[in-house]
Amino acid sequence: AQTVTQSQPEMSVQEAETVTLSCTYDTSESNYYLFWYKQPPSRQMILVIRQEAYKQQNATENRFSVNFQKAAKSFSLKISDSQLGDTAMYFCAFMTEKLVFGKGTKLTVNP
Amino acid sequence: GAGVSQSPSNKVTEKGKDVELRCDPISGHTALYWYRQSLGQGLEFLIYFQGNSAPDKSGLPSDRFSAERTGGSVSTLTIQRTQQEDSAVYLCASTTGSVYNSPLHFGNGTRLTVT
Repeated sequence: AQTVTQSQPEMSVQEAETVTLSCTYDTSESNYYLFWYKQPPSRQMILVIRQEAYKQQNATENRFSVNFQKAAKSFSLKISDSQLGDTAMYFCAFMTEKLVFGKGTKLTVNP
Repeated sequence: GAGVSQSPSNKVTEKGKDVELRCDPISGHTALYWYRQSLGQGLEFLIYFQGNSAPDKSGLPSDRFSAERTGGSVSTLTIQRTQQEDSAVYLCASTTGSVYNSPLHFGNGTRLTVT
């Protein structure tokens, strides 16, 4: 079975600081994609960043970057220079044919 | 439309009634997914369609749940004889046929409350 585990139900960070959200996954597949989605109170799921498993280089998207450790099946998200608008639920997801989500981490950015 | 559209946005129903939830995917998107999000939980996979066929129905919680897609476009998720545990937000998402190259685009969901 393919599973995604986010071990931090809640986290908080001060504005302008850096925070890292953890994610591990389990699969026997060799080719897959990994994603981080953000869900603000509006309920809309917003893609933050994605990583192809066959690429060793870590993906970056402005203030968001990942640390992809394929052997360890780890895919953490780093948010630099946190902003108040980053407050949301963050979901790690794993995809082969279907997208499997973790239970999420609630991130609060404090002023 | 520009995005994935779901209707209704909110639905309150009595226990035992049937409900239909609708999803209009982005035009041209051949793959369509349904997820359920219970309060404080992650997204639970229900079913996905490739065109009009459903290769994976493994997430449907019981035989009270069914889904169909016609014309490769609109999909409806039907819950029969609703129970209180069915209360959740039901999210629909669509993507182009290549799941490896195109991320999912989500609708805003339908919040279902069973009283």
